[in-house]
Amino acid sequence: QQKVQQSPESLIVPEGGMASLNCTSSDRNVDYFWWYRQHSGKSPKMLMSIFSNGEKEEGRFTVHLNKASLHTSLHIRDSQPSDSALYLCAAGDNNRIFFGDGTQLVVKP
Amino acid sequence: GPKVLQIPSHQIIDMGQMVTLNCDPVSNHLYFYWYKQILGQQMEFLVNFYNGKVMEKSKLFKDQFSVERPDGSYFTLKIQPTALEDSAVYFCASSLLGGNTEVFFGKGTRLTVV
Repeated sequence: QQKVQQSPESLIVPEGGMASLNCTSSDRNVDYFWWYRQHSGKSPKMLMSIFSNGEKEEGRFTVHLNKASLHTSLHIRDSQPSDSALYLCAAGDNNRIFFGDGTQLVVKP
Repeated sequence: GPKVLQIPSHQIIDMGQMVTLNCDPVSNHLYFYWYKQILGQQMEFLVNFYNGKVMEKSKLFKDQFSVERPDGSYFTLKIQPTALEDSAVYFCASSLLGGNTEVFFGKGTRLTVV
């Protein structure tokens, strides 16, 4: 059973728009949530992490975490074509980390 | 930043032959991973490795797959024998600790089984 579920599978937003990606873990032992970004033909790179309830903002990127529901979301405002990529959510405990299947984001000029 | 090196970047091999994919993890990292990705689709977990042992493996980690990291050398993924469906990009990754530390990925080895 997949321990990390991401939605939607794919998302198309216009340039300048807001992209919202969702992620939920089914493993109640996880404490740490991560977002990674993988551009086509490249390796995944860590984008943001969040370990506490609430919100964290870095530039155009905002992540939210609700630990009670094990749900995190990533929001990209003023989306740019260069944001087009596969976004992977990951959830982990002290010993393990699980990646979701990803959301393929396309930002159309 | 920290780098995970994978050798080779591309490998073409005949079906049924053995292949070894090599990974040089970040030097002080303790956890090592292999992932399989087909055509930019989902990153599929194969196996993780800690303290000289496999900790977890997925259903994709068939009996033909094995991993090891002899002291001070590469973390390797061996496939013997290879099958056509093993064609994919294989990413090695490492992290200092478990899920509470950042995972660093290599650039991947593109394996083509013909």
